[in-house]
Amino acid sequence: GAVVSQHPSWVICKSGTSVKIECRSLDFQATTMFWYRQFPKQSLMLMATSNEGSKATYEQGVEKDKFLINHASLTLSTLTVTSAHPEDSSFYICSARKAKAEQFFGPGTRLTVL
Amino acid sequence: AQTVTQSQPEMSVQEAETVTLSCTYDTSESDYYLFWYKQPPSRQMILVIRQEAYKQQNATENRFSVNFQKAAKSFSLKISDSQLGDAAMYFCAYRSRGYGGSQGNLIFGKGTKLSVKP
Repeated sequence: GAVVSQHPSWVICKSGTSVKIECRSLDFQATTMFWYRQFPKQSLMLMATSNEGSKATYEQGVEKDKFLINHASLTLSTLTVTSAHPEDSSFYICSARKAKAEQFFGPGTRLTVL
Repeated sequence: AQTVTQSQPEMSVQEAETVTLSCTYDTSESDYYLFWYKQPPSRQMILVIRQEAYKQQNATENRFSVNFQKAAKSFSLKISDSQLGDAAMYFCAYRSRGYGGSQGNLIFGKGTKLSVKP
């Protein structure tokens, strides 16, 4: 099957620092990757969509300069939360899609900003 | 814009019994996909079942089946012979068939928390 990994699975950082989260498709090339944010007991909220080699498309209300997304290759996308603050604490989930196929989800990253 | 509504925040079922989770959606498109995802306490999203709108036959996957009513824009999930491992959040999702621009993004409902009683 198609496997998507995320690293780290859990991170704690101080307010004002930046945190990078990696998303990798392990056994397939992902033409598109998605980043979601999920608050406790809520649904997934799409933050941005990225295609390899091009700039990410951000959803309305998501700050591009705060949530930097780099889709450097067909198997790797990164989300960098810059100058993190406690309100950025959340569960971040990535997913990857092969061309015209299903989306496969990573296991998520829990970010806690102190 | 498309929307997905899950009107049951929580549901409970006795082990070995059957439960149905409701989902309605709104769209002006004629061709699309519908999904049910399961999110257990580990929070890993797992695809349970998928339905293509142009197919009239309801999708089934072992103990999981859907009742797809296109005209009513309804897409319910039936879990038969419920097991303790079925306890999770269940999300209904919609996706356009196209892939350009914002098409192809999953649009999720708010979820239904399913508890299974032993």
